[in-house]
Amino acid sequence: QKEVEQNSGPLSVPEGAIASLNCTYSDRGSQSFFWYRQYSGKSPELIMFIYSNGDKEDGRVTAQLNKASQYVSLLIRDSQPSDSATYLCAVKSSSNTGKLIFGQGTTLQVKP
Amino acid sequence: DTAVSQTPKYLVTQMGNDKSIKCEQNLGHDTMYWYKQDSKKFLKIMFSYNNKELIINETVPNRFSPKSPDKAHLNLHINSLELGDSAVYFCASSQDPIQPQHFGDGTRLSIL
Repeated sequence: QKEVEQNSGPLSVPEGAIASLNCTYSDRGSQSFFWYRQYSGKSPELIMFIYSNGDKEDGRVTAQLNKASQYVSLLIRDSQPSDSATYLCAVKSSSNTGKLIFGQGTTLQVKP
Repeated sequence: DTAVSQTPKYLVTQMGNDKSIKCEQNLGHDTMYWYKQDSKKFLKIMFSYNNKELIINETVPNRFSPKSPDKAHLNLHINSLELGDSAVYFCASSQDPIQPQHFGDGTRLSIL
């Protein structure tokens, strides 16, 4: 089992729709969760982090965390073509080094 | 001003050569990282320094050696380059090992 798993996609949604990106993780002790967006040929850009169970909203983006199910998701409302990118889920290890473990990323395509 | 800057942006070299990549951050962060992103876009931690002290040293060949002359700089030296070293190397920094990480633009290393 991979430490952080994402569906590689591509996930294709029409413009204006809600895009739902999912991530599961294996380390039950993990406490910090991050979503990065990476455009082709560019560096990962932090778009959201969440530490507590429940929802965290920032503009059109909502992160959801369920530690009991070891599941974290990212919802993008009113999707725009500019949202087309690879979304990387990252989970901070519970080890004392606190290393960040990335999933393989989900490619999102928003079609006009 | 670029927060986390890496040089060079592109590095093309022959197998067997030795090369260095430099990273500097002007965010006043205490923690810096090196990541490798392979051709399948999988992003993996290599090293991390906190206040110039090595805190993460993943299983990488000992041909890779990080050096942190001060908190704002973390360089990566690679000896005897091999074809499999071709990848994009990202530097990142964070306020401390817990806080979110911010990435540089990456160095694309190509081995001929």
